[in-house]
Amino acid sequence: AQSVTQPDIHITVSEGASLELRCNYSYGATPYLFWYVQSPGQGLQLLLKYFSGDTLVQGIKGFEAEFKRSQSSFNLRKPSVHWSDAAEYFCAVVIRGSNYKLTFGKGTLLTVNP
Amino acid sequence: EAGVAQSPRYKIIEKRQSVAFWCNPISGHATLYWYQQILGQGPKLLIQFQNNGVVDDSQLPKDRFSAERLKGVDSTLKIQPAKLEDSAVYLCASSLVQTGELFFGEGSRLTVL
Repeated sequence: AQSVTQPDIHITVSEGASLELRCNYSYGATPYLFWYVQSPGQGLQLLLKYFSGDTLVQGIKGFEAEFKRSQSSFNLRKPSVHWSDAAEYFCAVVIRGSNYKLTFGKGTLLTVNP
Repeated sequence: EAGVAQSPRYKIIEKRQSVAFWCNPISGHATLYWYQQILGQGPKLLIQFQNNGVVDDSQLPKDRFSAERLKGVDSTLKIQPAKLEDSAVYLCASSLVQTGELFFGEGSRLTVL
């Protein structure tokens, strides 16, 4: 079945540590790929996106993600986490030519310890 | 530039009552979306409009949910009658072009007692 999987429900890191959030997808063709962030009580904000081309994409707030076709993955990374990065992170996909319906994973909640 | 506006931010109702949520998208955005986000889950698309036409409403529970987008701008999502499982945050989003780059409002949190 077609799906977006975020294996980690909750991750805790110390401020200043590096971060990697995992995302895998299961679709026949490579979809458009996105990471959104949701701070408590807020709507979602786009961090970065991948459509084609360079497989390492840069986003806002110092985040980056790497698309790996062989692993059907689009993992989000940040070299040094700040306390303000505590939020919920959602991986999402759009199947090309499907009315551009955005389908989300279940999210990963990030806690940052001081 | 003003963002996506939603109201009310919070609503508490009894089951079997009705409720309506309003959304004003970013000016010029032709595509409007309503998502349902249940606690602990990712947002689920309920309905997608392109201007004032429906593009996708395959996951909208049509026996109790309805949505309209008159004049291709503002939109209203209605639930009647509400059930306990409708407790969720209802997110409105809009986009200028259909690529998956959505701009979200802050959401309307519904609690059904």
